[in-house]
Amino acid sequence: DTAVSQTPKYLVTQMGNDKSIKCEQNLGHDTMYWYKQDSKKFLKIMFSYNNKELIINETVPNRFSPKSPDKAHLNLHINSLELGDSAVYFCASSPNKGGLYNEQFFGPGTRLTVL
Amino acid sequence: AQKVTQAQTEISVVEKEDVTLDCVYETRDTTYYLFWYKQPPSGELVFLIRRNSFDEQNEISGRYSWNFQKSTSSFNFTITASQVVDSAVYFCALSEAKDQGGKLIFGQGTELSVKP
Repeated sequence: DTAVSQTPKYLVTQMGNDKSIKCEQNLGHDTMYWYKQDSKKFLKIMFSYNNKELIINETVPNRFSPKSPDKAHLNLHINSLELGDSAVYFCASSPNKGGLYNEQFFGPGTRLTVL
Repeated sequence: AQKVTQAQTEISVVEKEDVTLDCVYETRDTTYYLFWYKQPPSGELVFLIRRNSFDEQNEISGRYSWNFQKSTSSFNFTITASQVVDSAVYFCALSEAKDQGGKLIFGQGTELSVKP
């Protein structure tokens, strides 16, 4: 069974569209994250949720809205897509909210291409 | 300020050579965690190791070893007898205990190419 899964794996869309990426983890972890990896491979945190509560929002444009219906799911909705949103988006989960056991397990990534 | 620097953007070695990937970090927190992740060409991020700031003991796992030195704020990663399958981008990352979100601050990554 896949521990952290994301759908879709690839997403190609036009500028101005709205799209969503879904993430699910079956590890029983309390904390989930979204990271963005740009074309230079640089990885940066976007959001973090702990038990459905937003705890990190790293100055991401408000076109990006995370939603956590339960602690096993963290979805990312993006409005009015722009060319600069093209990137690989990784979901991750961690068993702890910044305590001792905070290694993060990553999903396979979603490659978003905005045309 | 929290920062991770991986000064080596790309490294190319021939199979069976040893290679060390450097990682230097900055933090004001006294309790923090350091990580290494591997990103092979297939794109997934694979966790390799976690080390907390109170444990400076070096670690060896097969051909992999890690050298943590608080005095120089470094957490270097050595691959012994490299193999073609080691070709990947390797990321060093920092997480501070005071940051209740537990976010990872990544370095820029080092792309390792191991040639046969």
